[in-house]
Amino acid sequence: EAQVTQNPRYLITVTGKKLTVTCSQNMNHEYMSWYRQDPGLGLRQIYYSMNVEVTDKGDVPEGYKVSRKEKRNFPLILESPSPNQTSLYFCASKKATGELFFGEGSRLTVL
Amino acid sequence: AQSVTQLGSHVSVSEGALVLLRCNYSSSVPPYLFWYVQYPNQGLQLLLKYTSAATLVKGINGFEAEFKKSETSFHLTKPSAHMSDAAEYFCAVSERGLTGGGNKLTFGTGTQLKVEL
Repeated sequence: EAQVTQNPRYLITVTGKKLTVTCSQNMNHEYMSWYRQDPGLGLRQIYYSMNVEVTDKGDVPEGYKVSRKEKRNFPLILESPSPNQTSLYFCASKKATGELFFGEGSRLTVL
Repeated sequence: AQSVTQLGSHVSVSEGALVLLRCNYSSSVPPYLFWYVQYPNQGLQLLLKYTSAATLVKGINGFEAEFKKSETSFHLTKPSAHMSDAAEYFCAVSERGLTGGGNKLTFGTGTQLKVEL
């Protein structure tokens, strides 16, 4: 089954404690991206990757890091989380026809 | 630069009534346009997309949308609402350029659809 898998789905952490949200896709897509969803703001792009070892900032990259060492994985790293990073995070990969294929989301709470 | 405006953060319809969710876009080049649906506690699923073929696009679950260049609109409609249509709907735009529609999708702020008996 074609899918984008994110872990963890739910996480409560404290300010400053480093965390990583993993993302893996099994469709051999070259393009992957991270979005955050906040009420009233829709989805905003954090980072994207056109291919292995190629990443670039989206609209709201501050406080986040990513890496793309292999095609299937695109982890999102929060080196020192802060409460304003409390959000719902989505990983997505792009199909050849242009539309994004989304994971089920990771709900992060930073206390 | 590209942007999307969804008019109405909340829309309420009666079961069996017409659903109309509005989307206007801004794009400096011919766009690709998408509608996604998000059910509670789930990710986004593609409803339909416009990529320059027919201006009237049919999607899943009886939804359709019409691309109107003169109005820069891509409104989503369904003739008869069902309770299972209650969800949040997002319009998105991507500028054409690189293969597959450019680097990113820009999303609207979403419209929560409520369907009442």
